[in-house]
Amino acid sequence: EPEVTQTPSHQVTQMGQEVILRCVPISNHLYFYWYRQILGQKVEFLVSFYNNEISEKSEIFDDQFSVERPDGSNFTLKIRSTKLEDSAMYFCASSSPATVDTQYFGPGTRLTVL
Amino acid sequence: SQQGEEDPQALSIQEGENATMNCSYKTSINNLQWYRQNSGRGLVHLILIRSNEREKHSGRLRVTLDTSKKSSSLLITASRAADTASYFCATLDSGGYNKLIFGAGTRLAVHP
Repeated sequence: EPEVTQTPSHQVTQMGQEVILRCVPISNHLYFYWYRQILGQKVEFLVSFYNNEISEKSEIFDDQFSVERPDGSNFTLKIRSTKLEDSAMYFCASSSPATVDTQYFGPGTRLTVL
Repeated sequence: SQQGEEDPQALSIQEGENATMNCSYKTSINNLQWYRQNSGRGLVHLILIRSNEREKHSGRLRVTLDTSKKSSSLLITASRAADTASYFCATLDSGGYNKLIFGAGTRLAVHP
């Protein structure tokens, strides 16, 4: 069964460094999303992406964040200058045009900022 | 706003028992979804119920939706130890572009 994959599974970085989190959505999906979950807290929406542009972004998604679909398969989240409070689990999700309401999530990348 | 608040926050039961989790929300919705998250893992989509549906079944899962009370419940029948996980309800933000708003979740522990 097709699934969303994410790499790396765990990323440790120093405060101020740039990180890129990678996702490969399900192949026929056209809608892409990033969410994050700080330890012990709710899953929070960051951004949605469709037709090569951001559809919507949350207040969390400030100028330090960017997303890109560099080729036909990858979807990336970049954090330019990481802060301690960026430490969280980051989930990528995708949905298809036929069932756009149902989002399929990847296993997540745990980001630890030291 | 705090859309999709679940209760209880934690639930501990024995294998074979039924587990019921509730979710309340504040705004109008098109649908409500339930997800499962095993510890430290990703979110697995369980079931989606549309606003014009009152009840939906999938295997051992039964979901109800009461739009007049803005609430939903997830029932897991004949629970197994493998059902141990956190369960979240999520609604699509009516003003958003497929933005899911998650509740805080219910942590279910099923003891053998």
